[in-house]
Amino acid sequence: ETGVTQTPRHLVMGMTNKKSLKCEQHLGHNAMYWYKQSAKKPLELMFVYNFKEQTENNSVPSRFSPECPNSSHLFLHLHTLQPEDSALYLCASSPDGVAGYTFGSGTRLTVV
Amino acid sequence: QQPVQSPQAVILREGEDAVINCSSSKALYSVHWYRQKHGEAPVFLMILLKGGEQKGHDKISASFNEKKQQSSLYLTASQLSYSGTYFCGTEIYSGAGSYQLTFGKGTKLSVIP
Repeated sequence: ETGVTQTPRHLVMGMTNKKSLKCEQHLGHNAMYWYKQSAKKPLELMFVYNFKEQTENNSVPSRFSPECPNSSHLFLHLHTLQPEDSALYLCASSPDGVAGYTFGSGTRLTVV
Repeated sequence: QQPVQSPQAVILREGEDAVINCSSSKALYSVHWYRQKHGEAPVFLMILLKGGEQKGHDKISASFNEKKQQSSLYLTASQLSYSGTYFCGTEIYSGAGSYQLTFGKGTKLSVIP
């Protein structure tokens, strides 16, 4: 347990489904992130939230919609995904300023 | 733009040393190093700030050459537990108090008995 909890651990969804990924941290960190990890590709930054405000959106398709209701929780809402969206989705958090990130264990998403 | 890591993979016998390199074409605020074991979350190892520095704990250390925008991770007297994929992350200030961390493709390190 890293201090960053992601649920569910595994998710299989059809292309017409709507689902949400959840991330929770109680480390007192002010920044939270979504990363996508595909096979043989580097970790890709998707979204950055600082003090609940979205500060980065790295050209992510609109079928991915983030939500940060408070500094402890982060969601990734998914709808009409494509098979190429199948990947490990990692949530991370960090304190204010320059510091290491704490990653969650990820959600393994399969789109069928 | 993602940093470039080398080598892509390395196999070591227990007790041997290894160096993993990371380079960027952008001016960096910091460099991070993480290790990820199969099926687990990446784990933070250390961070090096601009200004050029060297850090280390136990037998794992790193350096950051700010002029060259390069960092190296040094693993000495490797142990079986060092096996995993090592990622460098290069951090730039992206404005509005926000920093952006971009990762390299990783170096797969296998330590064998």
